[in-house]
Amino acid sequence: AQSVAQPEDQVNVAEGNPLTVKCTYSVSGNPYLFWYVQYPNRGLQFLLKYITGDNLVKGSYGFEAEFNKSQTSFHLKKPSALVSDSALYFCAVSWGRRALTFGSGTRLQVQP
Amino acid sequence: DARVTQTPRDKVTEMGQEVTMRCQPILGHNTVFWYRQTMMQGLELLAYFRNRAPLDDSGMPKDRFSAEMPDATLATLKIQPSEPRDSAVYFCASGLVLGSTSSYNEQFFGPGTRLTVL
Repeated sequence: AQSVAQPEDQVNVAEGNPLTVKCTYSVSGNPYLFWYVQYPNRGLQFLLKYITGDNLVKGSYGFEAEFNKSQTSFHLKKPSALVSDSALYFCAVSWGRRALTFGSGTRLQVQP
Repeated sequence: DARVTQTPRDKVTEMGQEVTMRCQPILGHNTVFWYRQTMMQGLELLAYFRNRAPLDDSGMPKDRFSAEMPDATLATLKIQPSEPRDSAVYFCASGLVLGSTSSYNEQFFGPGTRLTVL
């Protein structure tokens, strides 16, 4: 079985401050981890993924995520938030040849 | 640039009517997914195909939902008869899976079909 948890329904941060969106996962094998972003009335857009290798993964729009095997986490980070980063963020996990399992989503609000 | 397209973008129908949603995956992609998104349930996987063959449709209510891929450029999701609880945004996504042991790489999502059943 595989599952992913996003413990925060919403994250609020001031523009220019660093942001973190949390994600923890549970899989039986080596995980493949993904972050997607959804803007209003749009489909999900791929941000970044971890398959293997360096634990720090860099993605689109200045986002990065750190894979931590001991804590089974894959938190999304950005050093300096923009108002335009405000959106719904989804973490997803799979392993083997299984389809992705998505988390419940975290709404990020960046205040000017 | 290559995109997943979905039609219609919005659909309002009455309970009991048949609804058909269409998806054109990105050319060359061999895997197609159908998801449903609601406020209460979040993002749910309904079904997915690889090389046009259904791999898993366990997330789909079998009595009223059906998913098919008549050809590599078209995937359909049908609801018959529709019910108010089917109101949601339905997303199609496509991806390319290579090799016998590879996992699913990034999926490319369409804009969704917003379905309202009155």
